[in-house]
Amino acid sequence: AQTVTQSQPEMSVQEAETVTLSCTYDTSESDYYLFWYKQPPSRQMILVIRQEAYKQQNATENRFSVNFQKAAKSFSLKISDSQLGDAAMYFCAYRRPGNQFYFGTGTSLTVIP
Amino acid sequence: DTEVTQTPKHLVMGMTNKKSLKCEQHMGHRAMYWYKQKAKKPPELMFVYSYEKLSINESVPSRFSPECPNSSLLNLHLHALQPEDSALYLCASSQDLIRSPLHFGNGTRLTVT
Repeated sequence: AQTVTQSQPEMSVQEAETVTLSCTYDTSESDYYLFWYKQPPSRQMILVIRQEAYKQQNATENRFSVNFQKAAKSFSLKISDSQLGDAAMYFCAYRRPGNQFYFGTGTSLTVIP
Repeated sequence: DTEVTQTPKHLVMGMTNKKSLKCEQHMGHRAMYWYKQKAKKPPELMFVYSYEKLSINESVPSRFSPECPNSSLLNLHLHALQPEDSALYLCASSQDLIRSPLHFGNGTRLTVT
């Protein structure tokens, strides 16, 4: 069974600084997809960034980027120039084609003004 | 703006009541999902519909009954719920079951008294 591990239940970052959230996963598949979702107190799960396993290049979306290490089965999220609106619960997720999503346990990010 | 709309936003019901949660998307997505989420936990998959047919039921108790009247609508009928069923119920959709990300609604906060 696929598992997704987020080892940091809580993280904090000063406004305008950079923070990295870690995620590891367990799979024997070679073709899969990875995602980071953000869930602010407003409760909607918002897609932050996605990565296809077959792509070596790390995905980037504005201030959000990932460090995808396929051999190490690691998929960390870097948030640059942190803003107050980045405060949220962040979930890492794994999907094998044709299969369901597997979510990590989440990291609660606090942004300190 | 959310492209997946859920109603109602909040629902309080007694254990003998019958109620329904509704979800609507107009993105042309062919897969729709129901998730249950407890506070500070990741979403737990309940049901998946693909092309309006139930494809996954994660051993959900029969007091939860899903329905997909058409490709844009997804309902969750509730009957004889227990207090432990109180949670945030999230609807999501995806373009396909292969590689697409989930797009979530804002959820329905359900309280069973």
